[in-house]
Amino acid sequence: KAGVTQTPRYLIKTRGQQVTLSCSPISGHRSVSWYQQTPGQGLQFLFEYFSETQRNKGNFPGRFSGRQFSNSRSEMNVSTLELGDSALYLCASSLAWGLLSYEQYFGPGTRLTVT
Amino acid sequence: EDQVTQSPEALRLQEGESSSLNCSYTVSGLRGLFWYRQDPGKGPEFLFTLYSAGEEKEKERLKATLTKKESFLHITAPKPEDSATYLCAVQAGAGNNRKLIWGLGTSLAVNP
Repeated sequence: KAGVTQTPRYLIKTRGQQVTLSCSPISGHRSVSWYQQTPGQGLQFLFEYFSETQRNKGNFPGRFSGRQFSNSRSEMNVSTLELGDSALYLCASSLAWGLLSYEQYFGPGTRLTVT
Repeated sequence: EDQVTQSPEALRLQEGESSSLNCSYTVSGLRGLFWYRQDPGKGPEFLFTLYSAGEEKEKERLKATLTKKESFLHITAPKPEDSATYLCAVQAGAGNNRKLIWGLGTSLAVNP
């Protein structure tokens, strides 16, 4: 079974630009979560989608947005990039939403560098 | 405030030298505690889920235990391939209010 895939793997952008990252979950998984990982803050939850609906959201500004498609694939968008947005962005899929178990399967991440 | 603290930040062991990593937490309404392993340049890899105090899970050289305040990841006779960052996460709340709170991880290096 193929794992979670994320594209692109690396990205360099300039301040003020916007970026779109893509995530394809494991086949059959309907829940997708997005995280930002930085050395000082660790993993910070961005949002979670299930059945094309945002179910949960972390404490990030409105510049960070996402969506999920009917095939469970998800995208996240960051507008008006800031230097502090440089991070590893991780996508994780799980079988369903609302289960007691939060067993998630992560993709390799997209390394975003903002200059 | 909900918080997860992992210690030590970094640990260097000789091959075969057993040790433990700690994950202490203060959350309201614990729903589960998770251990993940992360290799450089990769996303975290799921290891264990623990739900209640007294629970233990084992996988090869790893054993995870849970009390009401903390969890331990015991590594018995580690090998160089066990070198990685080990992350702990705690699930609090349920439904739309559920959240996963992550520790900063313990970076483990096992020397041959």
